[in-house]
Formats: sequence, structure tokens, C-alpha cells
Amino acid sequence: EAGVTQSPTHLIKTRGQQATLRCSPISGHTSVYWYQQALGLGLQFLLWYDEGEERNRGNFPPRFSGRQFPNYSSELNVNALELEDSALYLCASRSGLTGELFFGEGSRLTVL
Amino acid sequence: RKEVEQDPGPFNVPEGATVAFNCTYSNSASQSFFWYRQDCRKEPKLLMSVYSSGNEDGRFTAQLNRASQYISLLIRDSKLSDSATYLCVVTPGGSYIPTFGRGTSLIVHP
Repeated sequence: EAGVTQSPTHLIKTRGQQATLRCSPISGHTSVYWYQQALGLGLQFLLWYDEGEERNRGNFPPRFSGRQFPNYSSELNVNALELEDSALYLCASRSGLTGELFFGEGSRLTVL
Repeated sequence: RKEVEQDPGPFNVPEGATVAFNCTYSNSASQSFFWYRQDCRKEPKLLMSVYSSGNEDGRFTAQLNRASQYISLLIRDSKLSDSATYLCVVTPGGSYIPTFGRGTSLIVHP
């Protein structure tokens, strides 16, 4: 069974540009979470999608947005990129049975 | 007070040592508890769930103390391969948002 997949693995952008990150959850998982992990810091909750709807968002500005598609895959968009957006962006899908999060390998965004 | 707090370490221990990490949480209604392991520049992976009665998986033992609002992880007979960052994860009741501690760094040396 395939795990959570994310793309791209690495992304380099310049300030002011826009970035789009993609995530496919484990088959059968309907909940997708996005976290940001800046260098040396912990995982900060960004967004939670379930059954195609945004259920909750963390303490991030509106230029962080996303969506979930009918097949439960998800997209994270970051507009007007700033240097401090450089981080590892982790997507996870959640088991409805155990509550465990399964993570993808992450997308490493560098903003120059 | 942060929702989930961990001592960042690093804990620097020799092979074979026993080491324990604690994690405190602020929301008394929290319902789900996990320990994850994260290797350098990699994604977190589940180490073990934490149950109210405590649970053990080989060299790893996890315990939950609801009265004092902390969970613990005990690693016995440390191996070089145990070197990693250990993340405490707590999900407040009704929230469905797993909240991560900043992690405790463990370095096991020969």
C-alpha cells in the first residue's frame, strides 16, 4: 500500500512569488493535515482538510491557503512568498481508526 | 504556557544506557497521545501510541499521567540507531488537531 506522497521534493522561489505543494494521502484516509517545520523548530499546524472541506487552520496569515480534491488529495498554496516561509512543509493523512498521522517525506521550500 | 512542552536536550548517552523523556501538556481534556521519532531532515514516524495504562514495545515504554498532565518515554539499552529527535504529540479532546512538542534530541555514542 502506497504511503503519503508529496511533490515537489524541493522548490526554490524568490520573494513575492507563489508556491504550490501537493499531497496524496494513504488510500482510504479522508483527513489531510499540513504542517510547517522551519529549521530547528517544531512542527507548526497549518491546515486541516477532511471530506473536501477546510476544518481548521493554524495561526498563519491568509496567504497560506489550500484545498482538498474529491479524491482527498490536497494542495497547499503560499502566495507573496517571504524569506521566513523557507521551511519543510509536511503533509500527513490520519487514520480514522487509530488517530495516527502518517507523514509524507515533505516538500522543502527555499525562498531567496 | 505552551500546549505541549518538551526538554529540547540534547541528551547525550552511551550505548546501553537507559534514558527517559518527559512531555507536559496544558489541555486537561486531551485524549490522544503519541511519541514520534524524527531523523535529521526526514519526516516524523510513529514510534508508539501512549495508553492510559502504559504500554511497552521492546526497549521502549510509554506512560501517561493524566493527573499531572505529562507523558513519558523510557528507552532501555540505547542503540546508536536510537539517535534522533523524539516528538511528543497530543490531541486535545474534540479538536482533531495533533499538537507537536518541539522535540527532544537524543545522541547515543559508542
